[in-house]
Amino acid sequence: EPEVTQTPSHQVTQMGQEVILRCVPISNHLYFYWYRQILGQKVEFLVSFYNNEISEKSEIFDDQFSVERPDGSNFTLKIRSTKLEDSAMYFCASSEDEWGNQPQHFGDGTRLSIL
Amino acid sequence: SQQGEEDPQALSIQEGENATMNCSYKTSINNLQWYRQNSGRGLVHLILIRSNEREKHSGRLRVTLDTSKKSSSLLITASRAADTASYFCATILGGFQKLVFGTGTRLLVSP
Repeated sequence: EPEVTQTPSHQVTQMGQEVILRCVPISNHLYFYWYRQILGQKVEFLVSFYNNEISEKSEIFDDQFSVERPDGSNFTLKIRSTKLEDSAMYFCASSEDEWGNQPQHFGDGTRLSIL
Repeated sequence: SQQGEEDPQALSIQEGENATMNCSYKTSINNLQWYRQNSGRGLVHLILIRSNEREKHSGRLRVTLDTSKKSSSLLITASRAADTASYFCATILGGFQKLVFGTGTRLLVSP
């Protein structure tokens, strides 16, 4: 069964450094998402992306964050200058449709640790 | 108050027993979805129920939706140790794309 893959599985970065998290969505999906889960807390929506544009973003997704689909397969999340509070699991997801009539499929996540 | 609150927060049962988890939400929804998360892993989609549906089955899973009470329940029948995980409900609000997750129920199934 097709799956969403994320790399790396664990990223350790010094505070203030830039980090890029990578995702390969399911190949025929057109809608892409990033979520994060701080340890012990809910999964929170960050951003959705369609047709090379951000279609929706949360308050968390400030100017330090950006997303990109640099080629036909990868979908990346960049944090420009990391803070301690960015430490979390980051999940990429993709879906066939935009209104939730089809499920969002999630990767296994990248654990981001900011020192 | 939060969109998507599950109860109980934790549930411990024996193999073979049924597990019931409940989810309440605050606003009108397009659909409600249940996900499972094994420790340290990603979210696995279990079942989607649309706002005009009342009940849905998938294998050992049964989901109900009561839009008048803004609540849903997930029943896992004949549970197995492999069902040990956290279970989350998630809603799609009208006009939006994002999933709004609940707080989750941690299920422990003992052999």
